[in-house]
Amino acid sequence: DAGVIQSPRHEVTEMGQEVTLRCKPISGHDYLFWYRQTMMRGLELLIYFNNNVPIDDSGMPEDRFSAKMPNASFSTLKIQPSEPRDSAVYFCASSLMGQLNTEAFFGQGTRLTVV
Amino acid sequence: GDSVTQMEGPVTLSEEAFLTINCTYTATGYPSLFWYVQYPGEGLQLLLKATKADDKGSNKGFEATYRKETTSFHLEKGSVQVSDSAVYFCALSESGGNEKLTFGTGTRLTIIP
Repeated sequence: DAGVIQSPRHEVTEMGQEVTLRCKPISGHDYLFWYRQTMMRGLELLIYFNNNVPIDDSGMPEDRFSAKMPNASFSTLKIQPSEPRDSAVYFCASSLMGQLNTEAFFGQGTRLTVV
Repeated sequence: GDSVTQMEGPVTLSEEAFLTINCTYTATGYPSLFWYVQYPGEGLQLLLKATKADDKGSNKGFEATYRKETTSFHLEKGSVQVSDSAVYFCALSESGGNEKLTFGTGTRLTIIP
């Protein structure tokens, strides 16, 4: 398996523009997570899905952020409108609920810069 | 709520030195504990894990023991290499089917030849 695939790897956009980050989880995995990493706040869980259903979105910073998982092999994280403080590395991860506390596999991340 | 506190970085060591990165946790249940490693420009990878008290996780010469009495999961390696330079994250996941990981802030480790 190719692992968790995120696109794009890098995104530079102007303040106010819409940004869409994409993630393809490992085939067969039933959990999908979106994390944000910054120097100031470290790794923050934004939202996670189980079987395509959002379970906990309490980490989503504000209404400008939204996430969808239309099917088991694809998820998006959208920021509209984007702001400079959204600049960060965004990671997608997936895992399989076969036993308790299984390993999460991370993608390589999308580095977002909002200017 | 759950939380993980780990040793502030950055940490710089010479090759072949002994490494300890401290990690303590707060959890309401009986969590599983993890160490993840992030190499430059990459995502996080699982380094080792322990699912119950007194378990020892080990991988690539790294070890960590789940200490329930001290709520700790310190990462150790007897002789570090330049290739171990990375950021290390301690994390926990509550039992009961909740797959959510709570991470510490990460510790940047640099090994100099």
